[in-house]
Amino acid sequence: DTGVSQNPRHKITKRGQNVTFRCDPISEHNRLYWYRQTLGQGPEFLTYFQNEAQLEKSRLLSDRFSAERPKGSFSTLEIQRTEQGDSAMYLCASSLAPANQPQHFGDGTRLSIL
Amino acid sequence: ILNVEQSPQSLHVQEGDSTNFTCSFPSSNFYALHWYRWETAKSPEALFVMTLNGDEKKKGRISATLNTKEGYSYLYIKGSQPEDSATYLCAFYGGATNKLIFGTGTLLAVQP
Repeated sequence: DTGVSQNPRHKITKRGQNVTFRCDPISEHNRLYWYRQTLGQGPEFLTYFQNEAQLEKSRLLSDRFSAERPKGSFSTLEIQRTEQGDSAMYLCASSLAPANQPQHFGDGTRLSIL
Repeated sequence: ILNVEQSPQSLHVQEGDSTNFTCSFPSSNFYALHWYRWETAKSPEALFVMTLNGDEKKKGRISATLNTKEGYSYLYIKGSQPEDSATYLCAFYGGATNKLIFGTGTLLAVQP
């Protein structure tokens, strides 16, 4: 068990560029979650997968955001045409179902939009 | 809108002091309450997942209680140490959605 791995750790990009983050969950976990965290706030739910199916997506997630989890293993989160408001820490977590199982978090990807 | 509130926002204590934080959450459609510790430059780490009213869990010097009828949970740290310095997050799981709703956290700083 190597834990949840996210990369890159940091991403700095210009406004309008596309970015993609990757998350490798703990291998036996069937649930994978993406969160966004900004200064002074707790992690905010973006979306989650059970195996390869994306089961819920936050209304906060605009059309510029898309997430995939092909084959139910790693996941990618893409942000198109980035805006300054997208600057945040993006956290990935994985768990077993159901909800009484703890979520295991990665170290996050910190995105800075210039 | 489901609201999870934590207090205090921040806390500064001396090494050896005992301390506690509060998490308030909706009392209806409760399923689980999670506590996490998030140290700077590290990933959030699960402390407890609590599901039953009246539940009390303990991990070393840290313990937590749960009251689902009135919608609150307390986290206690006995004899705080500098390594306990972190943000402590609670998260509510309930309703019809399969997601955790996090509070804004309590930032604990323990002075040696």
